[in-house]
Amino acid sequence: SAVISQKPSRDICQRGTSLTIQCQVDSQVTMMFWYRQQPGQSLTLIATANQGSEATYESGFVIDKFPISRPNLTFSTLTVSNMSPEDSSIYLCSVDGRGVADTQYFGPGTRLTVL
Amino acid sequence: GIQVEQSPPDLILQEGANSTLRCNFSDSVNNLQWFHQNPWGQLINLFYIPSGTKQNGRLSATTVATERYSLLYISSSQTTDSGVYFCAVVYSGNTPLVFGKGTRLSVIA
Repeated sequence: SAVISQKPSRDICQRGTSLTIQCQVDSQVTMMFWYRQQPGQSLTLIATANQGSEATYESGFVIDKFPISRPNLTFSTLTVSNMSPEDSSIYLCSVDGRGVADTQYFGPGTRLTVL
Repeated sequence: GIQVEQSPPDLILQEGANSTLRCNFSDSVNNLQWFHQNPWGQLINLFYIPSGTKQNGRLSATTVATERYSLLYISSSQTTDSGVYFCAVVYSGNTPLVFGKGTRLSVIA
């Protein structure tokens, strides 16, 4: 399994500001995913980030609000832009499982509160 | 898209009791994973089980792919088992996981 870290682990932000979340993996992976989990809800996929190409966003999520970078095979960032209280959520990155097809492993998550 | 339904939505158990959580999915899947989300939000892999049965300590899982459901068994539950259990599926190659809404388990001493 992959070892995944996220920074920051939690943050409290003011509305209208932006926050960039970092996701680091201990080895190279092809696919990285970003999910959002709103309070009391399940996980919803924001986008898929492959190295060397533009991220693919799911319905309801746009690049202007959630820009993503994937500069190499071990790192990705998600920015939550122009935040509002509705953006208060846990944001999780995940990676495809190496050696086991169609599995995913998750980072510890970033707990974001927007005031 | 594929639908993933979990039941029950909430479950309260006395410590030491056994439980069965169910996951139904609407189409054929390449893989199925069970996760436990602890009270701190960390999502922990329990099983990846597209078919068959697996066991890990007090936990076991069975997926009957032809009937499109999976079961997670928790035996001799402990308070540390509390949290939310998610089932998630991959329905075609290189696509991300699709999650069910989860079962919230509370184990009381």
